[in-house]
Amino acid sequence: DAKTTQPPSMDCAEGRAANLPCNHSTISGNEYVYWYRQIHSQGPQYIIHGLKNNETNEMASLIITEDRKSSTLILPHATLRDTAVYYCIDASNAGGTSYGKLTFGQGTILTVHP
Amino acid sequence: GAVVSQHPSWVICKSGTSVKIECRSLDFQATTMFWYRQFPKQSLMLMATSNEGSKATYEQGVEKDKFLINHASLTLSTLTVTSAHPEDSSFYICSPGRGDRTDTQYFGPGTRLTVL
Repeated sequence: DAKTTQPPSMDCAEGRAANLPCNHSTISGNEYVYWYRQIHSQGPQYIIHGLKNNETNEMASLIITEDRKSSTLILPHATLRDTAVYYCIDASNAGGTSYGKLTFGQGTILTVHP
Repeated sequence: GAVVSQHPSWVICKSGTSVKIECRSLDFQATTMFWYRQFPKQSLMLMATSNEGSKATYEQGVEKDKFLINHASLTLSTLTVTSAHPEDSSFYICSPGRGDRTDTQYFGPGTRLTVL
């Protein structure tokens, strides 16, 4: 079972910031927080990941609480094309042949409306 | 990012036939391939993990004789759904891995299988 919990759905107005929360209270010290999204009928797409520091890239920002038990993905200016299911995943960044195996929860369905 | 292709993108077949899905890792050598399936309105579920040149490891509840996986090269893995039935209708997605530390995991575009 997935080790993270997310709200099942959220709405956001186009042009506004979308803030998607995730609880990962059982995350261990070597596990990163990854965010992926899946647009309808496509494969998942990597967004961002972090360990304990906040991260930002061209797609989004990731805010991780100091105790690492939760995080928030921020899409600063949501567009209609950001409508998707967003998955928060905690996973070890260790090597080995099992690396890359991700456990997906139900995610958050983000709907961006005009 | 890594380029992963799947073929076909969609397929419709009759019950009892076999369907082969190809997954290609176009710009890096995939020592590992993860195969997921996704039923409507559900999340991705890992089916099996294949390693190049060896037998695949299947998740609990996935029949290895029904879902044949071949990972004969570092750029190609195939999933064959044998004697497909309507309950096998799903979205099948592959994801290659190099078995080492990487920052991201890439996924194929998926194959929509519909069994009539």
